[in-house]
Amino acid sequence: GIQVEQSPPDLILQEGANSTLRCNFSDSVNNLQWFHQNPWGQLINLFYIPSGTKQNGRLSATTVATERYSLLYISSSQTTDSGVYFCAVGADSWGKLQFGAGTQVVVTP
Amino acid sequence: DGGITQSPKYLFRKEGQNVTLSCEQNLNHDAMYWYRQDPGQGLRLIYYSQIVNDFQKGDIAEGYSVSREKKESFPLTVTSAQKNPTAFYLCASSTSGQAGSDGYTFGSGTRLTVV
Repeated sequence: GIQVEQSPPDLILQEGANSTLRCNFSDSVNNLQWFHQNPWGQLINLFYIPSGTKQNGRLSATTVATERYSLLYISSSQTTDSGVYFCAVGADSWGKLQFGAGTQVVVTP
Repeated sequence: DGGITQSPKYLFRKEGQNVTLSCEQNLNHDAMYWYRQDPGQGLRLIYYSQIVNDFQKGDIAEGYSVSREKKESFPLTVTSAQKNPTAFYLCASSTSGQAGSDGYTFGSGTRLTVV
């Protein structure tokens, strides 16, 4: 199966700082999603981005499919951004995803 | 509002028991998925379904069973054959097998503990 590596594994930020999370994957994909898991376990879809660039408020993402990586940018971080960020990829018509191990983000006041 | 409802939020199972986790969606999504999450780890796929009365095994299907009798419902049974069932179980749905342009929607999860 496709291997998904996320970096860094942990990130501590001061409120207001910017950060970049990276997702590398081992094969061609037709599906790439970024999720945020809050401390209560709820997973929220941030982006569906198999290629290109998207922005949603203070978050943006870029996927360079030919080079097999995706980046998630968090700007002007807030304490509510704390949690685990997962990258997940897929390569079939069933829509099933392979998840990375996640990046644990802690934003301090 | 549309969404996915998982119940119960917490479930305790005795050794040797089968338990069923509920997942219902009113998003009119075709595809539904069950994932398992262990502490500090990513999600692993248990089962998935793209249409009613059809489902496929994921990476860790042993000890689990599912049914898809209605488009809205995709219950997961954790059988006594699952040797280490304590985990956080998450159900998701999407518009189609290609996940469309809006990606997955997840339920709030069920935390299962063996006592």
